[in-house]
Amino acid sequence: DSGVTQTPKHLITATGQRVTLRCSPRSGDLSVYWYQQSLDQGLQFLIQYYNGEERAKGNILERFSAQQFPDLHSELNLSSLELGDSALYFCASSVGDTVNTEAFFGQGTRLTVV
Amino acid sequence: AQSVTQPDIHITVSEGASLELRCNYSYGATPYLFWYVQSPGQGLQLLLKYFSGDTLVQGIKGFEAEFKRSQSSFNLRKPSVHWSDAAEYFCAVGARGNEKLTFGTGTRLTIIP
Repeated sequence: DSGVTQTPKHLITATGQRVTLRCSPRSGDLSVYWYQQSLDQGLQFLIQYYNGEERAKGNILERFSAQQFPDLHSELNLSSLELGDSALYFCASSVGDTVNTEAFFGQGTRLTVV
Repeated sequence: AQSVTQPDIHITVSEGASLELRCNYSYGATPYLFWYVQSPGQGLQLLLKYFSGDTLVQGIKGFEAEFKRSQSSFNLRKPSVHWSDAAEYFCAVGARGNEKLTFGTGTRLTIIP
């Protein structure tokens, strides 16, 4: 158990809908990262927050947004869902905001868009 | 832009045999290199990392990796695999000032008795 909690574990929704994925980081970790894992794109970095502020942005679509709340949990919002958004979405957390601090990954949320 | 290549999609080895998983990276500056393992239905777990110093790094579960700058490689090795090592292995690269990790496509490891 990495200490990073993601909910829900599985999500099935229809095209055009909007969903929210939630991540609770390890106690004491200030950084939260979101990754998307799909068969065709592999593991792609989406976005990083550190202590409530956006710190780095990757290949995140405009239909997707994220935020980190004062209690440090984070949410990833996916809207106008398309079939291609079906993927495993991972959250990771770390103490620091730099890549050389170890990131601990949650078990992921598997999103299926039908 | 940084990139990672894992040329082997799938590797099968016998239990007790040695293992080497290949990883080549592309990055202009000094990279930070990582190996992660993903067991079925699980998140990624860090096996080991290289930032600087000794080019041979030891990790958890008996794994080690060697950084070879001249070959832009960071291959993962284990002298004797166990059935529990069956999983998907990901190499990743990052760097100070570029805080996202770029992952390779992964190598699926199958262990046969």
